[in-house]
Amino acid sequence: NAGVMQNPRHLVRRRGQEARLRCSPMKGHSHVYWYRQLPEEGLKFMVYLQKENIIDESGMPKERFSAEFPKEGPSILRIQQVVRGDSAAYFCASSRSGGKNYEQYFGPGTRLTVT
Amino acid sequence: DQQVKQNSPSLSVQEGRISILNCDYTNSMFDYFLWYKKYPAEGPTFLISISSIKDKNEDGRFTVFLNKSAKHLSLHIVPSQPGDSAVYFCAASEGNAGNMLTFGGGTRLMVKP
Repeated sequence: NAGVMQNPRHLVRRRGQEARLRCSPMKGHSHVYWYRQLPEEGLKFMVYLQKENIIDESGMPKERFSAEFPKEGPSILRIQQVVRGDSAAYFCASSRSGGKNYEQYFGPGTRLTVT
Repeated sequence: DQQVKQNSPSLSVQEGRISILNCDYTNSMFDYFLWYKKYPAEGPTFLISISSIKDKNEDGRFTVFLNKSAKHLSLHIVPSQPGDSAVYFCAASEGNAGNMLTFGGGTRLMVKP
Protein backbone atom coordinates (compact mmCIF):
# COMPACT_ATOMS: atom_id res chain seq x y z
CA ASN A 1 0.00 0.00 0.00
CA ALA A 2 2.62 2.49 -1.16
CA GLY A 3 2.00 6.17 -0.72
CA VAL A 4 2.81 8.91 -3.19
CA MET A 5 6.31 8.40 -4.53
CA GLN A 6 8.59 11.11 -5.80
CA ASN A 7 12.02 10.85 -7.31
CA PRO A 8 14.64 11.94 -7.12
CA ARG A 9 14.50 13.09 -3.49
CA HIS A 10 17.35 15.51 -4.08
CA LEU A 11 18.37 17.04 -7.37
CA VAL A 12 21.25 19.40 -8.04
CA ARG A 13 21.36 21.28 -11.32
CA ARG A 14 23.58 24.03 -12.67
CA ARG A 15 21.98 27.18 -14.01
CA GLY A 16 20.70 26.61 -17.52
CA GLN A 17 20.22 22.84 -17.17
CA GLU A 18 16.89 21.03 -17.20
CA ALA A 19 15.26 19.47 -14.15
CA ARG A 20 12.78 16.59 -14.36
CA LEU A 21 10.81 15.66 -11.28
CA ARG A 22 8.71 12.50 -11.18
CA CYS A 23 5.63 11.64 -9.19
CA SER A 24 3.80 8.32 -8.94
CA PRO A 25 0.39 8.74 -7.29
CA MET A 26 -1.07 6.38 -4.74
CA LYS A 27 -2.67 3.26 -6.13
CA GLY A 28 -6.19 4.03 -7.28
CA HIS A 29 -5.57 7.78 -7.50
CA SER A 30 -5.94 9.46 -10.86
CA HIS A 31 -5.61 13.10 -9.82
CA VAL A 32 -2.19 14.69 -9.31
CA TYR A 33 -1.19 18.10 -7.98
CA TRP A 34 2.19 19.83 -7.86
CA TYR A 35 3.12 22.38 -5.19
CA ARG A 36 6.30 24.35 -4.60
CA GLN A 37 7.66 25.38 -1.23
CA LEU A 38 10.25 28.11 -1.09
CA PRO A 39 12.44 28.32 2.06
CA GLU A 40 10.49 29.48 5.13
CA GLU A 41 7.23 29.71 3.19
CA GLY A 42 4.08 27.67 2.76
CA LEU A 43 3.30 25.47 -0.20
CA LYS A 44 2.13 27.21 -3.37
CA PHE A 45 -0.11 25.44 -5.88
CA MET A 46 1.35 25.00 -9.34
CA VAL A 47 -0.74 22.61 -11.43
CA TYR A 48 -3.54 20.02 -11.24
CA LEU A 49 -3.63 17.11 -13.68
CA GLN A 50 -5.67 14.07 -14.45
CA LYS A 51 -4.49 11.33 -16.78
CA GLU A 52 -3.50 12.98 -20.07
CA ASN A 53 -5.18 16.27 -19.11
CA ILE A 54 -4.09 19.49 -17.47
CA ILE A 55 -7.07 20.69 -15.45
CA ASP A 56 -5.66 23.82 -13.78
CA GLU A 57 -2.25 25.34 -14.38
CA SER A 58 -2.98 28.73 -12.88
CA GLY A 59 -0.01 28.48 -10.51
CA MET A 60 2.58 27.57 -13.12
CA PRO A 61 5.13 30.19 -14.17
CA LYS A 62 4.44 31.15 -17.77
CA GLU A 63 7.86 30.16 -19.06
CA ARG A 64 10.24 27.25 -18.58
CA PHE A 65 7.80 25.12 -16.52
CA SER A 66 5.65 22.32 -17.88
CA ALA A 67 3.84 19.31 -16.48
CA GLU A 68 2.33 16.14 -17.84
CA PHE A 69 0.56 13.06 -16.57
CA PRO A 70 0.61 10.50 -19.35
CA LYS A 71 -1.71 7.52 -19.69
CA GLU A 72 1.11 5.27 -18.55
CA GLY A 73 3.84 6.21 -16.13
CA PRO A 74 4.42 8.93 -13.57
CA SER A 75 3.57 12.58 -13.70
CA ILE A 76 6.52 14.73 -14.71
CA LEU A 77 7.26 18.32 -13.74
CA ARG A 78 9.82 19.74 -16.09
CA ILE A 79 11.82 22.91 -15.55
CA GLN A 80 13.91 24.10 -18.45
CA GLN A 81 16.94 26.39 -18.13
CA VAL A 82 16.81 26.42 -14.36
CA VAL A 83 17.76 29.54 -12.42
CA ARG A 84 18.76 29.96 -8.77
CA GLY A 85 15.27 31.13 -7.88
CA ASP A 86 13.92 27.69 -8.85
CA SER A 87 15.67 26.18 -5.81
CA ALA A 88 12.84 24.87 -3.65
CA ALA A 89 11.07 21.76 -2.45
CA TYR A 90 8.58 20.45 -4.99
CA PHE A 91 5.76 18.34 -3.61
CA CYS A 92 3.38 16.15 -5.50
CA ALA A 93 0.00 15.13 -4.09
CA SER A 94 -2.65 12.75 -5.34
CA SER A 95 -6.30 12.15 -4.67
CA ARG A 96 -8.81 9.48 -5.62
CA SER A 97 -11.18 11.92 -7.20
CA GLY A 98 -11.52 15.59 -7.91
CA GLY A 99 -14.32 16.12 -5.43
CA LYS A 100 -13.83 18.19 -2.33
CA ASN A 101 -14.23 15.26 0.05
CA TYR A 102 -11.15 13.56 -1.30
CA GLU A 103 -8.10 14.70 0.62
CA GLN A 104 -4.80 15.18 -1.12
CA TYR A 105 -2.00 12.87 0.00
CA PHE A 106 1.50 14.24 -0.38
CA GLY A 107 4.73 12.65 -1.41
CA PRO A 108 8.05 13.28 0.39
CA GLY A 109 9.08 15.98 -2.07
CA THR A 110 12.02 16.65 -4.35
CA ARG A 111 14.50 19.19 -3.13
CA LEU A 112 15.94 21.04 -6.11
CA THR A 113 19.14 22.99 -5.67
CA VAL A 114 20.36 25.16 -8.52
CA THR A 115 24.03 26.09 -8.31
CA ASP B 1 -1.61 38.86 -1.42
CA GLN B 2 -1.67 36.09 1.16
CA GLN B 3 -5.16 34.67 1.35
CA VAL B 4 -4.36 32.29 4.20
CA LYS B 5 -2.23 33.50 7.08
CA GLN B 6 -0.73 31.85 10.10
CA ASN B 7 0.54 34.75 12.14
CA SER B 8 2.48 32.74 14.70
CA PRO B 9 5.62 31.27 13.15
CA SER B 10 6.26 29.17 16.26
CA LEU B 11 4.59 27.90 19.41
CA SER B 12 6.04 26.13 22.43
CA VAL B 13 3.85 24.03 24.71
CA GLN B 14 4.44 21.71 27.65
CA GLU B 15 3.62 18.04 27.18
CA GLY B 16 0.08 17.26 28.32
CA ARG B 17 -1.19 20.81 27.84
CA ILE B 18 -3.34 22.13 25.01
CA SER B 19 -1.81 23.43 21.79
CA ILE B 20 -3.83 25.99 19.88
CA LEU B 21 -2.78 26.88 16.37
CA ASN B 22 -4.52 29.71 14.58
CA CYS B 23 -5.23 30.54 10.97
CA ASP B 24 -6.94 33.52 9.31
CA TYR B 25 -8.19 33.81 5.76
CA THR B 26 -9.41 36.64 3.57
CA ASN B 27 -11.18 34.89 0.70
CA SER B 28 -14.87 34.54 1.58
CA MET B 29 -15.24 31.98 -1.23
CA PHE B 30 -13.21 29.40 0.69
CA ASP B 31 -15.56 26.63 1.78
CA TYR B 32 -13.29 23.80 2.84
CA PHE B 33 -10.39 23.93 5.27
CA LEU B 34 -7.69 21.46 6.16
CA TRP B 35 -4.77 21.09 8.55
CA TYR B 36 -1.58 19.31 7.58
CA LYS B 37 1.38 18.35 9.73
CA LYS B 38 4.88 18.29 8.29
CA TYR B 39 8.09 16.80 9.64
CA PRO B 40 11.47 17.88 8.21
CA ALA B 41 12.36 16.23 4.91
CA GLU B 42 8.88 14.73 4.57
CA GLY B 43 5.72 15.73 2.76
CA PRO B 44 2.72 17.21 4.57
CA THR B 45 0.43 14.67 6.23
CA PHE B 46 -3.31 15.29 6.31
CA LEU B 47 -4.65 15.72 9.85
CA ILE B 48 -8.22 16.97 9.85
CA SER B 49 -10.61 18.99 7.73
CA ILE B 50 -13.80 20.99 8.09
CA SER B 51 -16.47 22.14 5.69
CA SER B 52 -17.83 25.67 5.92
CA ILE B 53 -21.25 24.31 6.84
CA LYS B 54 -19.83 23.18 10.18
CA ASP B 55 -18.16 25.06 12.99
CA LYS B 56 -16.39 22.16 14.66
CA ASN B 57 -14.88 18.83 13.73
CA GLU B 58 -13.20 16.46 16.13
CA ASP B 59 -10.91 13.49 15.57
CA GLY B 60 -9.26 12.03 18.62
CA ARG B 61 -6.90 14.56 20.15
CA PHE B 62 -7.44 17.00 17.27
CA THR B 63 -10.31 19.45 16.98
CA VAL B 64 -10.73 22.14 14.36
CA PHE B 65 -12.97 25.15 15.00
CA LEU B 66 -14.24 27.42 12.24
CA ASN B 67 -15.55 30.95 12.79
CA LYS B 68 -16.83 32.06 9.39
CA SER B 69 -17.81 35.56 10.46
CA ALA B 70 -14.28 36.19 11.70
CA LYS B 71 -12.70 34.20 8.84
CA HIS B 72 -10.71 32.34 11.43
CA LEU B 73 -10.01 28.73 12.19
CA SER B 74 -8.01 27.03 14.87
CA LEU B 75 -6.60 23.60 15.58
CA HIS B 76 -6.62 22.32 19.14
CA ILE B 77 -4.43 19.42 20.19
CA VAL B 78 -5.23 17.95 23.58
CA PRO B 79 -3.19 16.59 25.24
CA SER B 80 -0.06 17.63 23.38
CA GLN B 81 2.67 15.03 22.99
CA PRO B 82 6.36 15.41 22.06
CA GLY B 83 5.64 13.53 18.81
CA ASP B 84 3.32 16.37 17.82
CA SER B 85 6.37 18.63 17.36
CA ALA B 86 6.26 19.58 13.69
CA VAL B 87 5.24 22.39 11.35
CA TYR B 88 1.48 22.72 10.98
CA PHE B 89 -0.05 24.17 7.83
CA CYS B 90 -3.55 25.46 7.43
CA ALA B 91 -5.00 25.14 3.90
CA ALA B 92 -8.21 26.18 2.19
CA SER B 93 -10.04 25.56 -1.06
CA GLU B 94 -13.00 27.20 -2.78
CA GLY B 95 -15.85 25.49 -4.52
CA ASN B 96 -15.24 26.77 -8.03
CA ALA B 97 -11.48 26.48 -8.03
CA GLY B 98 -11.22 22.75 -8.35
CA ASN B 99 -8.99 21.20 -5.79
CA MET B 100 -6.33 23.86 -5.60
CA LEU B 101 -5.26 24.24 -1.98
CA THR B 102 -4.08 27.61 -0.69
CA PHE B 103 -1.66 27.17 2.19
CA GLY B 104 -0.67 29.38 5.08
CA GLY B 105 2.98 29.89 5.93
CA GLY B 106 2.99 27.33 8.73
CA THR B 107 3.46 27.31 12.50
CA ARG B 108 6.27 25.36 14.10
CA LEU B 109 4.99 23.58 17.21
CA MET B 110 7.42 22.41 19.84
CA VAL B 111 6.07 20.20 22.60
CA LYS B 112 8.46 20.00 25.52
CA PRO B 113 8.58 16.83 27.63
